Order: sequence, then structure tokens, then C-alpha cells
Amino acid sequence: SYVLTQPPSVSVAPGQTARITCGGNNIGSKSVHWYQQKPGQAPVLVVYDDSDRPSGIPERFSGSNSGNTATLTISRVEAGDEADYYCQVWDSSSDHPHVVFGGGTKLTVL
Amino acid sequence: QVQLVQSGAEVKKPGASVKVSCKASGYTFTGYYMHWVRQAPGQGLEWMGRINPNSGGTNYAQKFQGRVTMTRDTSISTAYMELSRLRSDDTAVYYCARRRTASSPSDYWGQGTLVTVSS
Repeated sequence: SYVLTQPPSVSVAPGQTARITCGGNNIGSKSVHWYQQKPGQAPVLVVYDDSDRPSGIPERFSGSNSGNTATLTISRVEAGDEADYYCQVWDSSSDHPHVVFGGGTKLTVL
Repeated sequence: QVQLVQSGAEVKKPGASVKVSCKASGYTFTGYYMHWVRQAPGQGLEWMGRINPNSGGTNYAQKFQGRVTMTRDTSISTAYMELSRLRSDDTAVYYCARRRTASSPSDYWGQGTLVTVSS
């Protein structure tokens, strides 16, 4: 079964850049989506297809994907960005295609 | 505007079943898969499966095979997820989320339904 590995936590000061990684075997060959989840709320899509942004998501959110690592980058971090972030792919490599989520990364704004 | 509105919180005893509904509006219900994802308290997101509202075809995560059933009623644009033989570790918030294709992102999510399993 395909596994996505995220760091449990990332901390950054306001105004700095946060980078959240998502590791997976040859993940660069897959489309990676990123979700932001604040306490008590449903997840919100912030980046899709590796690097595209849904309408309404600030340009501060960007993504990249190559080799075995995908990265969500949040520039000029604000207090309101504090949340859990999840990467996700569709794994069609097995007999049972399925959605895979990373374990999630808690972003703390210092 | 697109909305997915889920049914209310449930409290169930171990061994019972629960059925959660997800009513879609603002788009063509049969044009998007409906996925179900759950989140146990303090834990991450876990995919349970999906249904094609057009055909009724389903794909379930292996972990839930034999315990989960996903159905839909196209006349009222509503998808359902039923989980049987509930255990205490099924206590979680259950979300529905739509996707255009298998590899598409989930662009809209329901508000979540808390299911508590307790004796």
C-alpha cells in the first residue's frame, strides 16, 4: 500500500516561509493535493494538481512535486495559517485503487 | 453555490449500525463521485470509499470491506454511508466530499457528522 509521510509539526515565525513536505515513492509521477484543516472545521483544498490554487486561496500558498517529495510552501505566514495540513494522492497501482492521505502536519505560527 | 449538507450527530452502541446522509445542491449530483472520509478524535484523515452517483458503482477501502455500504438516491441528490458492526474505535467525524474524477481533488466537503460509539 502506498504511504505518504509528513513531518508531524512545523513551526515558523510570522512573515517567514513555511515548507511542509510529503514523501512518497516516486510521488513526482502522481498528482498531489493539499488540504488545510482548522480545529472543528472540514478540510479546505489549498493546492491541487501539485501546484494549482483554487479560487479564493491566497497566492502565498504554492506547491511543487518532484522525485520522492512534494512540498507545500506558505510564504509570509500569518497567524491565520495555523492549522493542520494534509497531502493526498490517488493510488492506482494496486488491485484496489484508493485515496491516500498523509498523516498530517501541524503548522504552528510562533 | 455548491453545498454538501450532512445529517446530524449520532450516538450508537457497539454492534449497531449507523447511516449518514449527504445532501448535495448547486451542481449536477451525477456528475461527481462522492467520497467518504473519517477522522477519529485527534487523528488524521482516513479514506473509506467512494460512490459513482451516476451508476451506483462503489469502491471501498480494504479496511472497511464487508462493513461499509455506500448508496445514493439521485431523485433527492443524496448520498449515504452506512457502517455496520460498530466498535468504539469507529467514533469519529465522518465527512462526505465530492470529486470529479479518481485523481481529482475534493473541492467541496460536507460539514461532518460526529458518530459516537459507546455502551
